[in-house]
Amino acid sequence: AQSVTQLGSHVSVSEGALVLLRCNYSSSVPPYLFWYVQYPNQGLQLLLKYTSAATLVKGINGFEAEFKKSETSFHLTKPSAHMSDAAEYFCAVSVNAGNNRKLIWGLGTSLAVNP
Amino acid sequence: IAGITQAPTSQILAAGRRMTLRCTQDMRHNAMYWYRQDLGLGLRLIHYSNTAGTTGKGEVPDGYSVSRANTDDFPLTLASAVPSQTSVYFCASSPAIGYGYTFGSGTRLTVV
Repeated sequence: AQSVTQLGSHVSVSEGALVLLRCNYSSSVPPYLFWYVQYPNQGLQLLLKYTSAATLVKGINGFEAEFKKSETSFHLTKPSAHMSDAAEYFCAVSVNAGNNRKLIWGLGTSLAVNP
Repeated sequence: IAGITQAPTSQILAAGRRMTLRCTQDMRHNAMYWYRQDLGLGLRLIHYSNTAGTTGKGEVPDGYSVSRANTDDFPLTLASAVPSQTSVYFCASSPAIGYGYTFGSGTRLTVV
């Protein structure tokens, strides 16, 4: 069965430090992959997506992610964390489900940014 | 501003009462979804609709119903609320396969 695993439910970094949020997926066919961000008391917002084009995907707010088929990974990075990056981050994979496609969600990673 | 509007933003509901959560989008997206978000369980799909006039069951459909009479509206109804339906509910939409979802701001529902 397809699944998404986000390693680390909580990640804490210092302001200015590298942000690395890990996502591994299982899928028998090339997937579409997404990262979403959720700020407190808000809905989810699309950060970036991979849809079989360039393997390095750039998103909003300075984030990027690299699709690595051999590692079945789609880790999210940002070179320098900002206090405003503190939020919940969700990885998702779009897979075939019969005649439809559906999103499989990771459980999320809460990012804290320390001054 | 294009997007999804959910109403109400929060509600306290007595157990056994009927409740409809409203969701309206103005982006002409074909597909719409209802999720519930619970601590430690992430996002779980309740119901979805690939296009107006069709609906389908997600992972946790029991106790919920939906309708899709037109492209813009996708209401979620709790026929007889129970405390386990206390959650934050998100409506989302998507134009087509491979596109990301647009989410509403959510409805925080407490069933007492």
